[in-house]
Amino acid sequence: EPEVTQTPSHQVTQMGQEVILRCVPISNHLYFYWYRQILGQKVEFLVSFYNNEISEKSEIFDDQFSVERPDGSNFTLKIRSTKLEDSAMYFCASSPKGQGFNQPQHFGDGTRLSIL
Amino acid sequence: SQQGEEDPQALSIQEGENATMNCSYKTSINNLQWYRQNSGRGLVHLILIRSNEREKHSGRLRVTLDTSKKSSSLLITASRAADTASYFCATDRTGANNLFFGTGTRLTVIP
Repeated sequence: EPEVTQTPSHQVTQMGQEVILRCVPISNHLYFYWYRQILGQKVEFLVSFYNNEISEKSEIFDDQFSVERPDGSNFTLKIRSTKLEDSAMYFCASSPKGQGFNQPQHFGDGTRLSIL
Repeated sequence: SQQGEEDPQALSIQEGENATMNCSYKTSINNLQWYRQNSGRGLVHLILIRSNEREKHSGRLRVTLDTSKKSSSLLITASRAADTASYFCATDRTGANNLFFGTGTRLTVIP
């Protein structure tokens, strides 16, 4: 069964540095998402992406964050000037259609980001 | 806030028993979904119930939805040790594409 893959599985970065988290969504999916989960807390929506542009974003997704689909397969999340509170698991997800079509989202195993 | 709340926060049962987890949410939805998360892993989709459905089954899973009470329950029958995980409900919001997750129930099934 096709899977969403994320790399790296664990990223350790100094505070203030930039990080890029990478995701390869399922190939025939059209909607892409990033979520984060701070240790011990709930999964929080960051951003959704469709047709090469952001379709929705949460309050968390401020100017520090950006997303890109640089080619036909990768979907990246860039975090600039990382802060200690950015430490979390970051999950990528994809779905074939939007939620209006009652679609489940398929999640990767996440990237654990640790800011030192 | 759209976000749901599950209860209980933690549940410990013996293998073979049934486990029931509840979820409440706040606004109108297209659907409600249940996901499972093993420790340190991603979320695995279990079942989706549409807002016009009241009950749905998938294998040992039974989900109910009461839109008048804005609540859902997930029943796992004949639990197994391998069912040990965290279970989250997630709702969308009419017109939106993102999911709002609840706080999760940590289920432990004792062999």
